[in-house]
Amino acid sequence: NAGVMQNPRHLVRRRGQEARLRCSPMKGHSHVYWYRQLPEEGLKFMVYLQKENIIDESGMPKERFSAEFPKEGPSILRIQQVVRGDSAAYFCASSQQWGTPNTEAFFGQGTRLTVV
Amino acid sequence: SQKIEQNSEALNIQEGKTATLTCNYTNYSPAYLQWYRQDPGRGPVFLLLIRENEKEKRKERLKVTFDTTLKQSLFHITASQPADSATYLCALEESNDYKLSFGAGTTVTVRA
Repeated sequence: NAGVMQNPRHLVRRRGQEARLRCSPMKGHSHVYWYRQLPEEGLKFMVYLQKENIIDESGMPKERFSAEFPKEGPSILRIQQVVRGDSAAYFCASSQQWGTPNTEAFFGQGTRLTVV
Repeated sequence: SQKIEQNSEALNIQEGKTATLTCNYTNYSPAYLQWYRQDPGRGPVFLLLIRENEKEKRKERLKVTFDTTLKQSLFHITASQPADSATYLCALEESNDYKLSFGAGTTVTVRA
C-alpha cells in the first residue's frame, strides 16, 4: 500500500511563474490536507479538501493560491505568480475518516519549492 | 495569541540516556496532542497520540505525558539510540476540529 505520494519533490520557479504541486492520498483515503513549512517554523495548515469539495481553506492566502481535489486524479495546490516568500516545503497529508479527529495523519515527503 | 513552544535548543545526548522534550501551549484547548518525528528532507511520521483525559501514554521506548493544567506535554525517549536522531514535532488538535497546529520542533542528536 503506497503512502501519500507528492510530486515533484523539488520545484524551482522564477518569480511570476506558476507552481503546481500534486498529491495522491493513500489508497482508500478521501480527505486531503495541505500544510506549509517554512525553515525553523512549524507546519502551518493551509486547506482541507474532500473529493470535489473544499471543506476549509482558512489557512490559505486569499490571493494567488488555490487547491482542488477532483473526482479523479490527485489533489493539486496551485500557486500563481510566485514570489520569493512562497519558497517553502509543502506537505500533503491524508486520512480515511472525516477530518482527523484522534487519528493519525499520514504525510507525504513534501515538495520543496524554491522561487528564484 | 496562540502559541506552541518546544525546546528552543537542540538536544544532544549520549546513547542509552533518556531524552526529554517539552511542548508548551498558550490559548489552546486541545482535545488531543500528537507527536511526530521528522527526518531531514522527509515528511512527518506519526508516533503517539494522547487525549486530554489521559495523563500518560507509552509505546515501546517512548512515553508521553499531558498536563492540561500546566498546558504542557513531555515526550521521553528512553534508552536512546543514534537512530532516534531526528526532529520531533508536537501537534495539537482542538475538539470538533481537524486541523493540526504544530510546534517548530526539537532536534535530537544521539551520540554513539
